[in-house]
Amino acid sequence: GESVGLHLPTLSVQEGDNSIINCAYSNSASDYFIWYKQESGKGPQFIIDIRSNMDKRQGQRVTVLLNKTVKHLSLQIAATQPGDSAVYFCAVGAGGTSYGKLTFGQGTILTVHP
Amino acid sequence: NAGVMQNPRHLVRRRGQEARLRCSPMKGHSHVYWYRQLPEEGLKFMVYLQKENIIDESGMPKERFSAEFPKEGPSILRIQQVVRGDSAAYFCASSPPGQKNIQYFGAGTRLSVL
Repeated sequence: GESVGLHLPTLSVQEGDNSIINCAYSNSASDYFIWYKQESGKGPQFIIDIRSNMDKRQGQRVTVLLNKTVKHLSLQIAATQPGDSAVYFCAVGAGGTSYGKLTFGQGTILTVHP
Repeated sequence: NAGVMQNPRHLVRRRGQEARLRCSPMKGHSHVYWYRQLPEEGLKFMVYLQKENIIDESGMPKERFSAEFPKEGPSILRIQQVVRGDSAAYFCASSPPGQKNIQYFGAGTRLSVL
């Protein structure tokens, strides 16, 4: 079955630094990848997504990289700010009968120090 | 455009009671998903519904748990005869037609079973 894991459970950075959060997945049929941000006491907030036919996508201060060969994706946050402190989850979706069912990783806690 | 609305935000039940969690999707969204999150873990898929239909309930426990999304009104996740192990945060998400992997989450219901 699908499993999604993160290399580092916690990440501490200084304000202004760039942050990189990693995620590995196991199902080669996965075709949709999403990064969510979850602040304490709140629901996951959509950050950015990428389809399997792409290897890079950029948003505002965020970039997602996808390496299908090694089943790995990463979230890069540029000029990290204290407001970026949260738990970050990668989520993976597949097609076929699993379409609509997201599998989440365990999460990485990002702490940004002023 | 209001986001996904969940209520109640907090629910306390004694063992053996029933818990009813409600979710109203974003306007225009016809797909609803329920996920469960234990402390310091990622979200785990439970069930995916469209209006009046259960599409995928592969993540639902076989007993005591049920979900519905009636033609009128919110989606309901019902847990009968709750046990302490049911204590968790339950999140609902919705997605627009044709984009099942783009899921937007509510703030969640935190269930505590005494």
